[in-house]
Amino acid sequence: NAGVTQTPKFRVLKTGQSMTLLCAQDMNHEYMYWYRQDPGMGLRLIHYSVGEGTTAKGEVPDGYNVSRLKKQNFLLGLESAAPSQTSVYFCASRGGRGPQETQYFGPGTRLLVL
Amino acid sequence: KQEVTQIPAALSVPEGENLVLNCSFTDSAIYNLQWFRQDPGKGLTSLLLIQSSQREQTSGRLNASLDKSSGRSTLYIAASQPGDSATYLCAVIKVDFGNEKLTFGTGTRLTIIP
Repeated sequence: NAGVTQTPKFRVLKTGQSMTLLCAQDMNHEYMYWYRQDPGMGLRLIHYSVGEGTTAKGEVPDGYNVSRLKKQNFLLGLESAAPSQTSVYFCASRGGRGPQETQYFGPGTRLLVL
Repeated sequence: KQEVTQIPAALSVPEGENLVLNCSFTDSAIYNLQWFRQDPGKGLTSLLLIQSSQREQTSGRLNASLDKSSGRSTLYIAASQPGDSATYLCAVIKVDFGNEKLTFGTGTRLTIIP
């Protein structure tokens, strides 16, 4: 049981390039989330999904797209990377709506946009 | 808009001391509050989750309290150890239309001095 995994761990992009970050979970969780973490700011929600085939915008969705074609995978895409998207990206998943359900986080992807 | 503040941003204490980390939030209409630990270059690990109807939760040397009316939570760490060195994040959880939204503080970076 690997939990939540993220690929890649680190990436350098040039402005205008595109890339996709992959999040995978093996806990059969319905809910999945993408956050970004920047110095001096708390984690901010980019997009989330409440089940296979669904996606929704979070707090800071501009410049990102997501897809949830399979229940276990949640992809985050940057179509045209900008230096402002330099950040650490975290994926999380959650099993259900119960009050004791917690989000499980991946190890993060560090992205540098030059 | 919910705002979550953690003060101080950094804290250093000698090994063996008891310590308290603070978290304050502006909107008391919360579902849950959660404390996480983040090690350098790693993802978040859930420590304690307090439901809005609860006043505190305990796990080993950790005790988290919640006072919704004053918009405050504290994380008490007893008999601190060097392995407790990490950044501690609190997150306030609201549920809108069945979707869980976490608002994170910026964290307190804790260093335990051997």
